[in-house]
Amino acid sequence: AQSVTQPDIHITVSEGASLELRCNYSYGATPYLFWYVQSPGQGLQLLLKYFSGDTLVQGIKGFEAEFKRSQSSFNLRKPSVHWSDAAEYFCAVGGLPGGTSYGKLTFGQGTILTVHP
Amino acid sequence: DGGITQSPKYLFRKEGQNVTLSCEQNLNHDAMYWYRQDPGQGLRLIYYSQIVNDFQKGDIAEGYSVSREKKESFPLTVTSAQKNPTAFYLCASRKTGAGNTIYFGEGSWLTVV
Repeated sequence: AQSVTQPDIHITVSEGASLELRCNYSYGATPYLFWYVQSPGQGLQLLLKYFSGDTLVQGIKGFEAEFKRSQSSFNLRKPSVHWSDAAEYFCAVGGLPGGTSYGKLTFGQGTILTVHP
Repeated sequence: DGGITQSPKYLFRKEGQNVTLSCEQNLNHDAMYWYRQDPGQGLRLIYYSQIVNDFQKGDIAEGYSVSREKKESFPLTVTSAQKNPTAFYLCASRKTGAGNTIYFGEGSWLTVV
């Protein structure tokens, strides 16, 4: 069964500092990988996704993520954090076509980001 | 504008009552999903539907029921059999052929009083 681990429950950074949110997954092959962001009481917004190809993917709001097959990781990064980035971030894995988990996402537990001025 | 509309945003239910959460999408997406979110537990899949008139149980289907009579609509009923229904419920949809990208509604808060 596929699974996702986000080791950091809560991260605090200063505005302007760099950010890296960790995500590790367990899956039998290279899955589809996603990062979503959620503001309090709101739905989830897709930041970026990886299906294949270039292992460094660019997303919205200046975020990027790097897929590392050898480490089963898909960490999210941003060079300079803005106060508006404070939110909860979720990593998710999706199954490949033809598999029993295709079309479904499994989510990590989320990382809450606090930004200090 | 195209999107996923969930209603109501906030709902209070007395113990022992069934309640139905609405989810409508005008994105022409084929698949629809219901997730439950509890603090510190991420999102857990309740039910999903890949096509009209067909749906499958997710990881935590007990105490819930769904229907998919129209492509645009996927209502979720939280029954009295659900032991701990207070949570944030998220509806989502995906277009077949668009990889696995799933888009979410704004969510519904259910509180049992």
